[in-house]
Amino acid sequence: DGGITQSPKYLFRKEGQNVTLSCEQNLNHDAMYWYRQDPGQGLRLIYYSQIVNDFQKGDIAEGYSVSREKKESFPLTVTSAQKNPTAFYLCATSEKDREQYFGPGTRLTVT
Amino acid sequence: QQQVKQSPQSLIVQKGGISIINCAYENTAFDYFPWYQQFPGKGPALLIAIRPDVSEKKEGRFTISFNKSAKQFSLHIMDSQPGDSATYFCAASTKAAGNKLTFGGGTRVLVKP
Repeated sequence: DGGITQSPKYLFRKEGQNVTLSCEQNLNHDAMYWYRQDPGQGLRLIYYSQIVNDFQKGDIAEGYSVSREKKESFPLTVTSAQKNPTAFYLCATSEKDREQYFGPGTRLTVT
Repeated sequence: QQQVKQSPQSLIVQKGGISIINCAYENTAFDYFPWYQQFPGKGPALLIAIRPDVSEKKEGRFTISFNKSAKQFSLHIMDSQPGDSATYFCAASTKAAGNKLTFGGGTRVLVKP
């Protein structure tokens, strides 16, 4: 996990509520990424940011929003528009053109 | 459209045996191919990676074989140990697309003592 912190480890919310997942890094990496993992499946990219104040949609951005106001932080908001939000959410970081390193993940359960 | 196909979905191997996981890709622009190891409830950890200018890369008991013409790459785990029991993911990315990783579906490996 290195210098990537995701909090909390487990998160429970009621349907219809927005929820924000935290991702903080002290690796001084430029790029940050959010992935979603469903049971028994691979990871799918939600959003990514290569530089502060800029971010791009990944493959499954609908129902999610992000911000990148600081190099160290890339919070992900799961909105009520996300139809199936229960999943394991993973944040990753990388230096330009180099390997991606993952945080420990946040397991979100929405009932 | 699944751009990286991984097989098998699960694998059981005896301690000391060889685990082999295969991946095939479609996008010829991919130029970076990492493998990740993930234990239950944890984030994936980078295991080993290869670029298409080499056909094989070895790090300890882990070897990646790469076949550019066939658009395939594989992970070999030699002398498999119970501690290697985990889920393994292949992935691919291209610099031109911001190094976004496209993942295979994963292979659950169980090493029996």
